[in-house]
Amino acid sequence: EAGVTQSPRYAVLQEGQAVSFWCDPISGHDTLYWYQQPRDQGPQLLVYFRDEAVIDNSQLPSDRFSAVRPKGTNSTLKIQSAKQGDTATYLCASSLRGQLYFGEGSKLTVL
Amino acid sequence: GQQVQQSPASLVLQEGENAELQCNFSSTATRLQWFYQHPGGRLVSLFYNPSGTKHTGRLTSTTVTNERRGSLHISSSQTTDSGTYFCAIDYNAGAKLTFGGGTRLTVRP
Repeated sequence: EAGVTQSPRYAVLQEGQAVSFWCDPISGHDTLYWYQQPRDQGPQLLVYFRDEAVIDNSQLPSDRFSAVRPKGTNSTLKIQSAKQGDTATYLCASSLRGQLYFGEGSKLTVL
Repeated sequence: GQQVQQSPASLVLQEGENAELQCNFSSTATRLQWFYQHPGGRLVSLFYNPSGTKHTGRLTSTTVTNERRGSLHISSSQTTDSGTYFCAIDYNAGAKLTFGGGTRLTVRP
């Protein structure tokens, strides 16, 4: 069974640039999560979906971050006008009945 | 807000020693999940343990929900156990996990 796939693995931006991260969850998993993990810290939830619906986006900085999952399968997380404080690894996870499986992450560096 | 506290923050062992990692949470949880992360690697689920004790290999997870705590015991540690261990809590039976800050384990040969 294929795991959670994320791309790109790495991105380096200047402040003010935009970036999109893509996630392909495990087939059949109805719930998809995006977490932000700053260096040497635990993951912090940004947003999660059940099928195509947003269940909780309360921690998503809505002025610059957006996330979609239009067909209830793949998902895209976009950061517009990136800031140095956005430097972190962005983790996607999927689940069916509760147990989470993570992708390898997309490591973002904003200079 | 709802918090997850892990202790110790870091731990250094000699190979063969045992380790006990603690996880305390701020309100009643519906489940607790332990993850392992090698530096630069993906988070891998070790245990999905709402309550009680579970074993796999040299690892034992114990969750005491009404005391708002969990623990992960590693016996006879090996250098390959080095990495960061996270506990994560679901407070609302809603599939949303809140992570602790992790315990960074180093096992020396």
